[in-house]
Amino acid sequence: EVQLVETGGGSVQPGRSLKLSCVASGFTFSSYWMYWIRQAPGKGLEWISSINTDGVGTYYPDSVKGRFTISRDNAENTLYLQMNSLRSEDTATYYCAKGLYYFSGVPFDYWGQGVMVTVSS
Amino acid sequence: NIVLTQSPAALSVTPGESVSLSCRASQSVGTSIHWFQQKSNESPRLLIKYASQSISGIPSRFSGSGSGTDFILSINRVESEDSSIYYCQQSHSSLLTFGSGTKLEIK
Repeated sequence: EVQLVETGGGSVQPGRSLKLSCVASGFTFSSYWMYWIRQAPGKGLEWISSINTDGVGTYYPDSVKGRFTISRDNAENTLYLQMNSLRSEDTATYYCAKGLYYFSGVPFDYWGQGVMVTVSS
Repeated sequence: NIVLTQSPAALSVTPGESVSLSCRASQSVGTSIHWFQQKSNESPRLLIKYASQSISGIPSRFSGSGSGTDFILSINRVESEDSSIYYCQQSHSSLLTFGSGTKLEIK
């Protein structure tokens, strides 16, 4: 059974940093692209990063580019999101998700339960 | 960036009705549109991939159609458990985007 479990959320002041983790199980983690998606309270879904299988290729929207860094440890089956210079608008539930196939341009077939990040002074 | 516009923003229907939810892309995305269902306080669930391809375990009353810029998610004879927000998402571009969602209420 595929499982994605996010940890590392919490409350942080603006300008500070936080690192999220997502531990994967039930599939060959190293073979799939992985993603982070967030959802602000009462709002829609926003994709915020993608990473290819070996961790070399990464993608971000302008809203987080230069502040957030996605990475992965295939030996530990873990996906990370390093979030720096946090802003109040980064307050959201953060989900990690798995790509359906071995390549990019695919839908997300499994999602974690999400972890809440609150940025407030 | 590819903008996805969903309509209507919300609708309310009675059980047994059939509904069509629209997703329009700002440029052609081929068939790289996927539909998700999100129930209250739950993680999203993949309903339809590549515009019209079914997903194992998803009820057959859910179907999708379209290509290019215009896409439809159809729900045949809605049930009370279908009360959710439905999102479309494109994977044509490496900069992935979601639509703003359609909230479906079952009376």
